Amino acid sequence: GAVVSQHPSWVICKSGTSVKIECRSLDFQATTMFWYRQFPKQSLMLMATSNEGSKATYEQGVEKDKFLINHASLTLSTLTVTSAHPEDSSFYICSARARSTNEKLFFGSGTQLSVL
Amino acid sequence: QQQVKQSPQSLIVQKGGISIINCAYENTAFDYFPWYQQFPGKGPALLIAIRPDVSEKKEGRFTISFNKSAKQFSLHIMDSQPGDSATYFCAAYTTDSWGKFQFGAGTQVVVTP
Repeated sequence: GAVVSQHPSWVICKSGTSVKIECRSLDFQATTMFWYRQFPKQSLMLMATSNEGSKATYEQGVEKDKFLINHASLTLSTLTVTSAHPEDSSFYICSARARSTNEKLFFGSGTQLSVL
Repeated sequence: QQQVKQSPQSLIVQKGGISIINCAYENTAFDYFPWYQQFPGKGPALLIAIRPDVSEKKEGRFTISFNKSAKQFSLHIMDSQPGDSATYFCAAYTTDSWGKFQFGAGTQVVVTP
């Protein structure tokens, strides 16, 4: 099956610093990538949708200046949490969809962000 | 407004028993219904999926039952094992629109030895 690699798995940072999370599709070209946030024992909350080569589309209530998304190539999307604060601590998950299998969504393993 | 409603929120079942999770939707444009399994600290993984032109799909111990007229679908885990303990999410999607997957709230399943 298709593999989506997400790095890092966990990160601890100081308040005010920025953190970058990478999401790579290893064996397919991801025309669309999604970024989710998940709180403990809750469902996936879609933050934004990114299509290769174009600006990300953010969901209502998600600050685009705080959560910078770049989808520069068909295999790589990055989420940068800028000026992180403790309330940004969460589990972030990316997913990718290939043009050839548009109904299948493949998820990364997630990144646990803890902001001190 | 959640477009896919999932129940129960949590479920405890004995080893060897049947776990049943239900989902309901309103949007008749949905034409793909996957189930995802998520272990703690990991991303969700596709478990099994169904399209509305069939009423049932079985893969090993996992079965999806689909009722198009009622706009409901369910996941049955037969002969539940402790290794099945995880959170399960149903989802719905419209393949033509390249739109967003709509996820249910999730069901935490605990299988006791």
